Amino acid sequence: DTAVSQTPKYLVTQMGNDKSIKCEQNLGHDTMYWYKQDSKKFLKIMFSYNNKELIINETVPNRFSPKSPDKAHLNLHINSLELGDSAVYFCASSQVWTGGHTEAFFGQGTRLTVV
Amino acid sequence: AQTVTQSQPEMSVQEAETVTLSCTYDTSESNYYLFWYKQPPSRQMILVIRQEAYKQQNATENRFSVNFQKAAKSFSLKISDSQLGDTAMYFCAFGNAGNMLTFGGGTRLMVKP
Repeated sequence: DTAVSQTPKYLVTQMGNDKSIKCEQNLGHDTMYWYKQDSKKFLKIMFSYNNKELIINETVPNRFSPKSPDKAHLNLHINSLELGDSAVYFCASSQVWTGGHTEAFFGQGTRLTVV
Repeated sequence: AQTVTQSQPEMSVQEAETVTLSCTYDTSESNYYLFWYKQPPSRQMILVIRQEAYKQQNATENRFSVNFQKAAKSFSLKISDSQLGDTAMYFCAFGNAGNMLTFGGGTRLMVKP
């Protein structure tokens, strides 16, 4: 009964391909995120999204785009993959309440390898 | 923009002993949250502890406690009675009103038997 689930866990693909990573949360949260963890373990926010607003980290190339079919899903599409895109991608979710936000709950990560 | 600094890339501690991981941050915001996340080899990100900036009392969760010094912008994590299962990467994180987290570079903690 995973709270935040991502598929696939591992993805190996060639340069130039287009790929998607799916994320689903069953916590009823209203905000979802994508983070990137590079080979040195640095974690960086890519996107924050709720049904009202998409916030994009300005350093994220426009080859990356989040797509949300509904409140429980936030998929990550990547076009024209490059070697430097190899990383672990984490989906997360949280809920806004009167006191602010709950803590973020993370998926198990997707290790993307571009060859 | 916020920055989060963890000055200890690696640390080790003997089982059952106490260890403190350091974290400093820089922000101009007044309303924020601070977190410690644990990432074991399974790579799952697990929340260890959370602190609201407006609360003066330091958060505690069983063997884990923080020393939150708001004026000094310091947020250290103390792990008491260290266990082998505590071996992991530990990340300090700053959360703004939108809860977009800024992470420190991480501290790799090894608990030795």
